Amino acid sequence: GAGVSQSPSNKVTEKGKDVELRCDPISGHTALYWYRQSLGQGLEFLIYFQGNSAPDKSGLPSDRFSAERTGGSVSTLTIQRTQQEDSAVYLCASSLGGAMNTEAFFGQGTRLTVV
Amino acid sequence: AQKITQTQPGMFVQEKEAVTLDCTYDTSDPSYGLFWYKQPSSGEMIFLIYQGSYDQQNATEGRYSLNFQKARKSANLVISASQLGDSAMYFCAMREGIWRDDKIIFGKGTRLHILP
Repeated sequence: GAGVSQSPSNKVTEKGKDVELRCDPISGHTALYWYRQSLGQGLEFLIYFQGNSAPDKSGLPSDRFSAERTGGSVSTLTIQRTQQEDSAVYLCASSLGGAMNTEAFFGQGTRLTVV
Repeated sequence: AQKITQTQPGMFVQEKEAVTLDCTYDTSDPSYGLFWYKQPSSGEMIFLIYQGSYDQQNATEGRYSLNFQKARKSANLVISASQLGDSAMYFCAMREGIWRDDKIIFGKGTRLHILP
């Protein structure tokens, strides 16, 4: 696709339910990143993928959070048993891997609201 | 420890003035890249400028320039002749040692307000 696509753009869920957030990166981008942004705050690193592998999962807030990437393309971030503090905008980005100077291109984000 | 520090949570600047947004970083890797992004109220993330650790000259991109002081681990963004449309959140980011870790981490951002 022309850019990074995230779906859904908005998600309202009840506390305790599971949610899946999807990211479709730019074709050919081997690196994929997930960030969380609370209202008016900075970008909190969650996880990144190089191909289908996740070398660094250190940013995942708890074991309720997991992510996978298949075929070196689409990634899914899953939050189980959602809590109100999970409410935030979840941003996905992708970049060409193996080059220092390639910027990350961001999707529009998924706004998650847990009620 | 915080790797990217942006010490200015908010700034107010008069239109047409130049503005400097501060960013300091912490890394022991000799190879790294520094990025600045702009996030308007619409929420999109817009890449502005890049500086590599081995680049001899400061990066420039239109009205944006990066004041890179390697010894001080400082990478301040300078916006010349500010415009009302520059009002946004600005984030400094770093990618370390590409062959070890491709992770990009961000600072907490600076909210810039341009006053007419």
